[in-house]
Amino acid sequence: AQTVTQSQPEMSVQEAETVTLSCTYDTSESDYYLFWYKQPPSRQMILVIRQEAYKQQNATENRFSVNFQKAAKSFSLKISDSQLGDAAMYFCAYRFKGRRALTFGSGTRLQVQP
Amino acid sequence: DAMVIQNPRYQVTQFGKPVTLSCSQTLNHNVMYWYQQKSSQAPKLLFHYYDKDFNNEADTPDNFQSRRPNTSFCFLDIRSPGLGDAAMYLCATSRVPADSYNEQFFGPGTRLTVL
Repeated sequence: AQTVTQSQPEMSVQEAETVTLSCTYDTSESDYYLFWYKQPPSRQMILVIRQEAYKQQNATENRFSVNFQKAAKSFSLKISDSQLGDAAMYFCAYRFKGRRALTFGSGTRLQVQP
Repeated sequence: DAMVIQNPRYQVTQFGKPVTLSCSQTLNHNVMYWYQQKSSQAPKLLFHYYDKDFNNEADTPDNFQSRRPNTSFCFLDIRSPGLGDAAMYLCATSRVPADSYNEQFFGPGTRLTVL
């Protein structure tokens, strides 16, 4: 069974600084997708960034980028120039290609200090 | 704006009293999902519909049922809620089959309290 592990229950970062959230996963599959979702307090979960396993290049979306290490089964999220609006719960998620369901990690609560 | 809507946002029910949660979407997506998210835990998939095809997760209790009368609406029925069913219930949709990113769009959730 696939598992997703986020070892940092909480993180804190100063506004305008950079923070990295960790995620590791366990799978025997070679073709899959990885995602980072953001869940602000009392608001819906939204997709931040995504990565296909067969793509070597790390995905980037504006201030958000990932460090995807397939051999190590690691998928960390880097947030640059942190803003107050980045404060949220961040979930790492995995989906095996051919299966619709997402497997989520337990989440990392990010606080942004002004 | 196209979106995923969940009603009600907060639901209180009594132990053993059936409750129905509602989800609707204006995205015209063919897949709809129900997740259960307990406090400080990861969302856990209960089941999903691909069009009218119902797909139950192996460990979803029989107490949880779902209906999808049309493309836009999907319901979660909890036949006899227990205290352990208190959670946030998230509805999500996706457009394409599983051989692509299949991004899921989430509703704001319904927080269920069981007294």
